[in-house]
Amino acid sequence: DAGVIQSPRHEVTEMGQEVTLRCKPISGHNSLFWYRQTMMRGLELLIYFNNNVPIDDSGMPEDRFSAKMPNASFSTLKIQPSEPRDSAVYFCASSTSPSSYNEQFFGPGTRLTVL
Amino acid sequence: GDSVTQMEGPVTLSEEAFLTINCTYTATGYPSLFWYVQYPGEGLQLLLKATKADDKGSNKGFEATYRKETTSFHLEKGSVQVSDSAVYFCALSPSMEYGNKLVFGAGTILRVKS
Repeated sequence: DAGVIQSPRHEVTEMGQEVTLRCKPISGHNSLFWYRQTMMRGLELLIYFNNNVPIDDSGMPEDRFSAKMPNASFSTLKIQPSEPRDSAVYFCASSTSPSSYNEQFFGPGTRLTVL
Repeated sequence: GDSVTQMEGPVTLSEEAFLTINCTYTATGYPSLFWYVQYPGEGLQLLLKATKADDKGSNKGFEATYRKETTSFHLEKGSVQVSDSAVYFCALSPSMEYGNKLVFGAGTILRVKS
């Protein structure tokens, strides 16, 4: 099993540019999560989907952030326009179902640097 | 709201020392509790979990017991190895909500010296 796949692994961009992060969940998993990790704020849940439908986006910091899940095997997180304070590691995770018992499987993360 | 509090690190131990990382939580209902580990440059991996009071999760020599009376889920290992050096996250999944979103603690860095 390939696990959760994220791309790119590293992204360096300039302030004001659009950034798109991509995630492929584990096949058969119905729930997908986007997290952001920074030294100051730790791990924060940004949004999560169940069966491709956004369930909770209360963690999305502002309108510059948007996420989509057009099908069961692909999701994107877009930042437009990007700002230096968006610099962080962004993780995607997936799980088999929305049960609170279930393990989430994390991807390797995308390290974003906004100059 | 739901929250998780972990002891601050870094925790520095010699090989074969006993490890305890404290974790307490605040939540309504009966959350599931997890410990995740993050090795340098990698994503998080589940280390162990417990889904109800008095359950003990265990894996790779690590263990933690779900204590509802003290709202705690402390991580322990009897003899740490250099390869255990990583960041450890305590987390909960609220039981009263649809979905299994995780609420994480701040993480505790563990450094094991040979």
